[in-house]
Amino acid sequence: NAGVTQTPKFQVLKTGQSMTLQCAQDMNHNSMYWYRQDPGMGLRLIYYSASEGTTDKGEVPNGYNVSRLNKREFSLRLESAAPSQTSVYFCASRGWDSLLRYNEQFFGPGTRLTVL
Amino acid sequence: DAKTTQPNSMESNEEEPVHLPCNHSTISGTDYIHWYRQLPSQGPEYVIHGLTSNVNNRMASLAIAEDRKSSTLILHRATLRDAAVYYCIPAGTYKYIFGTGTRLKVLA
Repeated sequence: NAGVTQTPKFQVLKTGQSMTLQCAQDMNHNSMYWYRQDPGMGLRLIYYSASEGTTDKGEVPNGYNVSRLNKREFSLRLESAAPSQTSVYFCASRGWDSLLRYNEQFFGPGTRLTVL
Repeated sequence: DAKTTQPNSMESNEEEPVHLPCNHSTISGTDYIHWYRQLPSQGPEYVIHGLTSNVNNRMASLAIAEDRKSSTLILHRATLRDAAVYYCIPAGTYKYIFGTGTRLKVLA
């Protein structure tokens, strides 16, 4: 049981390049999330997917697209990267804890992205 | 979305209790109050949550004001491992807004 996995762990892009951040969870969770965290700041919600086949905007969706490929996978795409998108990106999934008491978010280890 | 106000930072001595406050005066009646923490260089992790009543678990206690406009996370005996950023998140079903949180420093 790997939990939430993210690839890549690190990435450097040039302005204007595109890339897709991958996220997968093996906990059979329905909802998944993408956040960004700028240095010294809290997490900001980019997009979320309440269930397979649905996606919704969060606080800061501009410049990003997402795909809920199946129940396990939720990808985040930067079509034309900008220096302002330099950040650490966290993926999370939400589901019941082992004792079925609470619907909590489980986070991946993050992807550190630098846009030059 | 409910707005939250938390102190930017707090300090505690090791083995002493810590009370982390949070104001969420615009919370809606159905929002739960969630607390997560983020250890250095890691993703956030769940701490505790509640709706109206005070709650206890193995990590912490959560005291919720009667009008639900504020809450306090209580760490009964702070350890060095508790040094983290603590986020108070009033939230409904799906959309979590983390805010900037409180950075807790634990002194040995």
